[in-house]
Amino acid sequence: QQKVQQSPESLIVPEGGMASLNCTSSDRNVDYFWWYRQHSGKSPKMLMSIFSNGEKEEGRFTVHLNKASLHTSLHIRDSQPSDSALYLCAASPGGNYKPTFGKGTSLVVHP
Amino acid sequence: EAAVTQSPRNKVAVTGGKVTLSCNQTNNHNNMYWYRQDTGHGLRLIHYSYGAGSTEKGDIPDGYKASRPSQENFSLILELATPSQTSVYFCASGDLRGRTEVFFGKGTRLTVV
Repeated sequence: QQKVQQSPESLIVPEGGMASLNCTSSDRNVDYFWWYRQHSGKSPKMLMSIFSNGEKEEGRFTVHLNKASLHTSLHIRDSQPSDSALYLCAASPGGNYKPTFGKGTSLVVHP
Repeated sequence: EAAVTQSPRNKVAVTGGKVTLSCNQTNNHNNMYWYRQDTGHGLRLIHYSYGAGSTEKGDIPDGYKASRPSQENFSLILELATPSQTSVYFCASGDLRGRTEVFFGKGTRLTVV
């Protein structure tokens, strides 16, 4: 069973639009969340991390975390074609630091 | 930038043969991981390590062994390769304190025929 669920599986947004991605963990021991981006044929690279309840913004990217519901979301505003990629959510308990990844959301930004 | 180097980058193996995938990191990270990535399954954890001499089973360890002879090196061993192990394998390293990111290598594409 997948402990980290991501939705939607795929998303198409127009250039300049807003993309919203969701991630929920079913492991009550989870403390840390990350968002990774993986372009086609490349390895995943961390986009943002969030460890506390609330919101964190870096440029066009904003992440939210609700620890009570173990839900995090990633929002990309003013989406660009270069944002087209697979977005992976990862979660880990604080004690053993074993990141578990979801299946990802495939984002396509069309010009 | 953190460096994780995998070798080989591509490998074709025969069913029943032994395959060793190697990983080297120069980040001085305590933790290292082996994941496989398949369409429809995302990244799945095979084995991981907290330091030299330690290996732990991940979520899908069957058919795989791991070895961590030093801080820098972490190997994944397929003693009897099967076609179902055809996949892209990623090695990664991270800091034990847990609040830093995991850094990935470029991946190894393994095809078992």
